Amino acid sequence: GQNIDQPTEMTATEGAIVQINCTYQTSGFNGLFWYQQHAGEAPTFLSYNVLDGLEEKGRFSSFLSRSKGYSYLLLKELQMKDSASYLCAVLDSNYQLIWGAGTKLIIKP
Amino acid sequence: IAGITQAPTSQILAAGRRMTLRCTQDMRHNAMYWYRQDLGLGLRLIHYSNTAGTTGKGEVPDGYSVSRANTDDFPLTLASAVPSQTSVYFCASSDSTGGSTDTQYFGPGTRLTVL
Repeated sequence: GQNIDQPTEMTATEGAIVQINCTYQTSGFNGLFWYQQHAGEAPTFLSYNVLDGLEEKGRFSSFLSRSKGYSYLLLKELQMKDSASYLCAVLDSNYQLIWGAGTKLIIKP
Repeated sequence: IAGITQAPTSQILAAGRRMTLRCTQDMRHNAMYWYRQDLGLGLRLIHYSNTAGTTGKGEVPDGYSVSRANTDDFPLTLASAVPSQTSVYFCASSDSTGGSTDTQYFGPGTRLTVL
């Protein structure tokens, strides 16, 4: 079966750095997405990786290793507004998105 | 540009009643999707449509039906609601021509409670 694993919850301090990991086992791979979802709101797109390596977008970076079935989302200079759930999703060989259950990130002052 | 709109925002429904959740997008995306999101389970695909006139079943299609008469609209119907269909429902759309264009954009969601 297809599987995406992420930690259920993480806690970090304002101003710090946090890394959210995602491992996947899917039938084929056509890219990996990270989404942010604030409580009570819709998911919003953060990043897309299809090649190995690091993609940087301001305070957020996303890394992919296809050989290891592994990705992480790195958030720097954490702000209180970064408190949210972070969803990892993989586009499989049928171009269907397979979603992880999400990681709830709690930021403490 | 509104993006994707969903209606209603929330609804309380008696079991056995029929309900249609509406979804409209103005981005001219060819693909549209319906998900349900339950605590601890993440997003689960109910039905999808790759282009107007075609639909497909996702991971949890039972009890739901969809239609795609045109590019913009993708309604989801619960023929006879049951309490297990209590959930938050998200509609999404994507350009779906491969790669990063498969980025899905989500509507604000409908919170449905079936009693």
